[in-house]
Amino acid sequence: SQELEQSPQSLIVQEGKNLTINCTSSKTLYGLYWYKQKYGEGLIFLMMLQKGGEEKSHEKITAKLDEKKQQSSLHITASQPSHAGIYLCGAHWSYSGSARQLTFGSGTQLTVLP
Amino acid sequence: EAQVTQNPRYLITVTGKKLTVTCSQNMNHEYMSWYRQDPGLGLRQIYYSMNVEVTDKGDVPEGYKVSRKEKRNFPLILESPSPNQTSLYFCASSLSRAGGNYGYTFGSGTRLTVV
Repeated sequence: SQELEQSPQSLIVQEGKNLTINCTSSKTLYGLYWYKQKYGEGLIFLMMLQKGGEEKSHEKITAKLDEKKQQSSLHITASQPSHAGIYLCGAHWSYSGSARQLTFGSGTQLTVLP
Repeated sequence: EAQVTQNPRYLITVTGKKLTVTCSQNMNHEYMSWYRQDPGLGLRQIYYSMNVEVTDKGDVPEGYKVSRKEKRNFPLILESPSPNQTSLYFCASSLSRAGGNYGYTFGSGTRLTVV
């Protein structure tokens, strides 16, 4: 989606290295979701961010939402082969009841070399 | 276990032969949606449903139909499949269209090939 840009499109890292994936919006976000997808399989919910400056962690994955609520980063520390997959961000920009659906970025393909 | 179940996981069919991909959720979610995922194009929404008997078009509805007769089921129907509908399809559900605290719950996907 042009409203939500993910970078990089693909990433190859050596096992044990740290990495960062970015998700950038052209306007202020209301909610930002991170998902992980194994090749050919469904999307697994990782984290949801809503407040400017918010940061959440799950195991070795940390997601942050900037103060302006227009950019989120997903950081993986000491990557492992189990981290490989496609990472997608999903977002919506307003909340008026249930009127607004999630829009997804195009994804970042992560490969972790053993 | 809370989940969205899609069937079949894999399907190869011929052009023009009607098919249905089923989707069922056991979380009493009101919102359900179908997506297709293609390389370089990301996830694109086909149809969604806000509740029973309430459905609406997404971004790429051409060639697809849906129905929501029961809250738990949201089948995707291809009346006359064509090769450009070869794709990976996902069903998703949520308490609300906005996603709430846990976003959408996705099914495992259906890989459809139309020859």
